[in-house]
Formats: sequence, structure tokens, C-alpha cells
Amino acid sequence: GAVVSQHPSRVICKSGTSVKIECRSLDFQATTMFWYRQFPKQSLMLMATSNEGSKATYEQGVEKDKFLINHASLTLSTLTVTSAHPEDSSFYICSARSPPGLAGTGYNEQFFGPGTRLTVL
Amino acid sequence: QKEVEQNSGPLSVPEGAIASLNCTYSDRVSQSFFWYRQYSGKSPELIMSIYSNGDKEDGRFTAQLNKASQYVSLLIRDSQPSDSATYLCAVNQGGSTLGRLYFGRGTQLTVWP
Repeated sequence: GAVVSQHPSRVICKSGTSVKIECRSLDFQATTMFWYRQFPKQSLMLMATSNEGSKATYEQGVEKDKFLINHASLTLSTLTVTSAHPEDSSFYICSARSPPGLAGTGYNEQFFGPGTRLTVL
Repeated sequence: QKEVEQNSGPLSVPEGAIASLNCTYSDRVSQSFFWYRQYSGKSPELIMSIYSNGDKEDGRFTAQLNKASQYVSLLIRDSQPSDSATYLCAVNQGGSTLGRLYFGRGTQLTVWP
């Protein structure tokens, strides 16, 4: 259990275009998902917290109009990078917060998708 | 400011040795503690979670938590070259933070044959 998928795994686009990345929890419902970005040899940076049925909460310094997040169902969150530029090239990773009973611990846990490598030319 | 600090590494151990990874956190009300393993170019994978003081063992991995000292560690016994990765310590306060994890910068482990 606790599988999170992301699509696409890799995308190359031209500067100025928009790219949509999907994050799905395959075997559990996730009211909360998270979007991270990671540059080479750097640590994870949380971009935003995505809550089903409500607006995402963005971290300081992350442009909400550039990184559009939609969490329309309990198993799907999307991140759209609008008007992408070369500096947006990065590894984008989502995670989903599991219900307390899923892992048998009584606590929520967070499982990551495989990531999407975005290259903007 | 919620901080999670890990020993900077890189850590290099021979195959079969015990690798010890350490992590301290600043927020005393933290409730949940996790270790993730991240291979180069891949996303993090949850390998251990611990919620109460003491030790938790899972195969070759043992997590240790000491809330009084705000310290959590991960021991890897009989280290294998396949354990070579970056290990991320993560802490969750719970409550209103909606499950947000605070990550350390990671410790890079190399296990040489």
C-alpha cells in the first residue's frame, strides 16, 4: 500500500509554455498533498501544501500565480508551471499524507511520488 | 523557526559495518519522526518512522528517539553498498501544521565494498 504516482516522469518544454504535473495517491485517499522542488545536490524545498477542496497554501517566496495547484479530488493534485523559464528547470516531487490507520501506526505518514524532471529550454 | 539538523557527512563506512546517522530538532512539541532514503536522481523513500521514546527495529535498521534530548538517530547494521544514498531526517509537529514535514539537509552515506 501507500503508492503515489506522478505523471509525467520527465518533460522538456520551450520557454513560455505551461506544464501540468499530476500527482495521484493510488491506494489511499489523501486530503493533503505537498509539492516540493529539488535542485541538484540540494535539499528538498517545500513549495506548497495542497488541500482537497480548498486553496493551496504556498511557502514564502513561491509565486502562487506561477505555480498553480489544484486538489480536485482525494486522490489527485496537479501542479501547473505557467510561463515556464529555464530557471524553473528542476526536479518536482509530490507527496501524499496517508490516513492514520494506513501504516498501522495510528499516525499520518507521508509518501512521495517518483518525481518529475522538468527541463525548460 | 523549526530546525532539523543532521550531521553533515559525507559518511563513509566499509561493507558490513554499522552506519550511524544523527539528527536533532528544535521544536519540543514535535510528535512524529521519519527517516527517508534518497538515491541520486530519485525521490525520497520512507524507511523508518518512530513516535515514542526508545528504539524501533526493522530488519537492519534501528531508529532511536530521545524526546528529552530532541534527538533521533538511525543505525544501519551490516551496511551494504546498496545502502549508499542520502538519508533525510524529517520531523512533524502535528496539529495545525497539517502534516507538514521539516527536513534536515541530509547525510550522504557511502558504503564501500
